[in-house]
Amino acid sequence: IAGITQAPTSQILAAGRRMTLRCTQDMRHNAMYWYRQDLGLGLRLIHYSNTAGTTGKGEVPDGYSVSRANTDDFPLTLASAVPSQTSVYFCASSALAGGEIGGYTFGSGTRLTVV
Amino acid sequence: AQSVTQPDIHITVSEGASLELRCNYSYGATPYLFWYVQSPGQGLQLLLKYFSGDTLVQGIKGFEAEFKRSQSSFNLRKPSVHWSDAAEYFCAVALSSGGSYIPTFGRGTSLIVHP
Repeated sequence: IAGITQAPTSQILAAGRRMTLRCTQDMRHNAMYWYRQDLGLGLRLIHYSNTAGTTGKGEVPDGYSVSRANTDDFPLTLASAVPSQTSVYFCASSALAGGEIGGYTFGSGTRLTVV
Repeated sequence: AQSVTQPDIHITVSEGASLELRCNYSYGATPYLFWYVQSPGQGLQLLLKYFSGDTLVQGIKGFEAEFKRSQSSFNLRKPSVHWSDAAEYFCAVALSSGGSYIPTFGRGTSLIVHP
């Protein structure tokens, strides 16, 4: 089934530890995004990538890094986790062709708790 | 900076009643406009989108939305709500910038459906 796979589904992480959230899409979409969702704040953009080999910072990038080595994968890394990074993380992708986008497809999310 | 406002944090309706969820944006140009729905513990699902053309857009699950340029609004409507429509609804906007279309989401409206 075409879509986005995120792993793990949930994780409890000790503060100070390093963690990589995985995101893989099989739709050959150009652009990919990482959001965090917190109660009352909606979805806030962490990082994005318009195409393989390029990345950009979103609204809340501090404490996070990303890479885009190929079209399909867009991992998000927390170098040293802090409790304020407790959140639900969503990966998304979109196709960009002819100057138009075809909407955004979301993964099922990763629930991360930093203790 | 682009922004999108969903004025209602919660909306409560009776099953069978009509529904309107409000969304306003602040941009000089007409952005791409989307409505997404999120059921508890799930990712986001696209309901409908507007790029250009007819300002009344039909989506899935019986939803529709109307783009009103003069009011900078893109309100979501449904003539008769079902109990299964209870969920969180997000409006999103995306504006072309240097070849990218990074969506900005509203904070969401929680729909509660009474039997």
